[in-house]
Amino acid sequence: AQKVTQAQTEISVVEKEDVTLDCVYETRDTTYYLFWYKQPPSGELVFLIRRNSFDEQNEISGRYSWNFQKSTSSFNFTITASQVVDSAVYFCALSPYNNNDMRFGAGTRLTVKP
Amino acid sequence: DTAVSQTPKYLVTQMGNDKSIKCEQNLGHDTMYWYKQDSKKFLKIMFSYNNKELIINETVPNRFSPKSPDKAHLNLHINSLELGDSAVYFCASSQEVMRAVNTEAFFGQGTRLTVV
Repeated sequence: AQKVTQAQTEISVVEKEDVTLDCVYETRDTTYYLFWYKQPPSGELVFLIRRNSFDEQNEISGRYSWNFQKSTSSFNFTITASQVVDSAVYFCALSPYNNNDMRFGAGTRLTVKP
Repeated sequence: DTAVSQTPKYLVTQMGNDKSIKCEQNLGHDTMYWYKQDSKKFLKIMFSYNNKELIINETVPNRFSPKSPDKAHLNLHINSLELGDSAVYFCASSQEVMRAVNTEAFFGQGTRLTVV
């Protein structure tokens, strides 16, 4: 069984603050994919990152960074120097390597205030 | 060109009606999905089709029936609509995992269904 937990339902920060969104997952698979998606107020789902379970290197893309720790089954997402445009619901997701059964966490609503 | 397109974007209908939401992808992907997003933003998988065959069918009322006429289309038919069906429905597609290193799901813009 797969499960993705995003314990933070809502986070509110002031612009330029750093913020970390937590994601903890459960799976019996030894290989799998982890994802982060962004859903801005306009409603579409925007792909941010995919990580393979066998690649634990952290990744940085501009103000975004991801910390994958297989030992703690976590895939946390940090936004540095947050901006108002970062306000959105962020979803973490998990997909087994051998099928397309992608499961999402409940999402974290991030509000960045000016 | 939109990679995954679903229509309509908004759908308001009365209880008891039957309605369909269409989804098409032009990415050449093998797998398509339907997700339901409720008022609390929780995204739940409903169905997954791979090469026109159903591979995932979560606990969804049988009033919901997916139809895949070909690999590029996965339509969602809903019979006898109920108030609780009100939600945003997302269609998505991805390449089949075993044959593609780069796997991500591409989502449509969502269909907001309101049952009154």
